[in-house]
Amino acid sequence: KNEVEQSPQNLTAQEGEFITINCSYSVGISALHWLQQHPGGGIVSLFMLSSGKKKHGRLIATINIQEKHSSLHITASHPRDSAVYICALMPNTGNQFYFGTGTSLTVIP
Amino acid sequence: NAGVTQTPKFRILKIGQSMTLQCAQDMNHNYMYWYRQDPGMGLKLIYYSVGAGITDKGEVPNGYNVSRSTTEDFPLRLELAAPSQTSVYFCASSDFRAEGEKLFFGSGTQLSVL
Repeated sequence: KNEVEQSPQNLTAQEGEFITINCSYSVGISALHWLQQHPGGGIVSLFMLSSGKKKHGRLIATINIQEKHSSLHITASHPRDSAVYICALMPNTGNQFYFGTGTSLTVIP
Repeated sequence: NAGVTQTPKFRILKIGQSMTLQCAQDMNHNYMYWYRQDPGMGLKLIYYSVGAGITDKGEVPNGYNVSRSTTEDFPLRLELAAPSQTSVYFCASSDFRAEGEKLFFGSGTQLSVL
């Protein structure tokens, strides 16, 4: 059983489209991370969320703790947004992060 | 702050050789992790540490060893390298605060065992 389910697995969009990536989980958490990994690149944390919504430029992340669901939105997508986006969380009772399998996003000019 | 510093960035090993991947963080984080990422796959936890002197196995510990003698450093040792250990390795650290954990990754080490 995977504690973190991420969808879609792959996503192709035209430049300018609005993109949504979803993450559902089954454990109690204190916070959830959205990570970005460019091809051949390192991993950076885009957001850490414990409630509500956060916005950074064209990126918006939301979380509903009661429903155990988070979404990452990209407005006015651009080819440079092409990357793998990963949902990560740590259970309230654990020492290890759980990771989603990642969403591979390709934005076509 | 430099964040999480991971070295080397690339390495090629012959089967049976050994090496140590270095990881250091300057953020005074208690939690440190080693992950491997195989092509097209997600992150798998090798070992983790919740503080100096404390380490524990993750999902895929076989063929690896770690030590945590200081808060800053968390080296990963590969003994008797095997082709199955060809992967990209990431070190990470985290800090627990009231609002949740902050999570930082090193830049990764691409390791090939031939």
